[in-house]
Amino acid sequence: EVQLVESGGGVVQPGGSLRLSCAASGFTFDDYAMHWVRQAPGKGLEWVSLISGDGGSTYYADSVKGRFTISRDNSKNSLYLQMNSLRTEDTALYYCAKTIRVVPAVFVGIDYWGQGTLVTVSS
Amino acid sequence: NFMLTQPHSVSESPGKTVTISCTRSSGSIASNYVQWYQQRPGSAPTTVIYEDNQRPSGVPDRFSGSIDSSSNSASLTISGLKTEDEADYYCQSYDSSNAVFGGGTQLTVL
Repeated sequence: EVQLVESGGGVVQPGGSLRLSCAASGFTFDDYAMHWVRQAPGKGLEWVSLISGDGGSTYYADSVKGRFTISRDNSKNSLYLQMNSLRTEDTALYYCAKTIRVVPAVFVGIDYWGQGTLVTVSS
Repeated sequence: NFMLTQPHSVSESPGKTVTISCTRSSGSIASNYVQWYQQRPGSAPTTVIYEDNQRPSGVPDRFSGSIDSSSNSASLTISGLKTEDEADYYCQSYDSSNAVFGGGTQLTVL
């Protein structure tokens, strides 16, 4: 059974940093690209970042480019999101999500989502 | 970057059929696959359609997807509506280096 469990959320002041983690199980982790997607309270889904199966290619939404860094450790079946220079508008539930096709596919659909970890940026 | 535009809300009665549209603002709708995600209140999203018209295992065949190049849009059709289908639905696609979600459509089954 595929499981994606996010952690690392919390309350942080504007300008601060946070590192999110996503522990994956139930599939061959390095066979799949992975996403981070966020959802601000009461709002829709917003794509944040995508990383290829080997970690060699990364992609970012314009809203987080230069501030967030996606990475993965395939030996630990883990996905990460380092978030720096946080802003109040980054307040959201952050989901990690698995793509549906094996590598080298990157720009393909999502088939599994985690339950999310909440990030609150507030002074 | 392009945008995906969905109606804010739709409503229909149980047993009926509803179609939710998703219009791509620039670039061809056929150039990248479209996915559809269902999100019930208080829950994480789940995938109901991927690659325009494919259903993941476990998704009933009441759910179907299509694209229409003439209107540059994708559609999610749900037939035989059930109260459990009441949720927010999001379309999603890509361009060369970005994923894009539509704004979401709230489906009410009443």
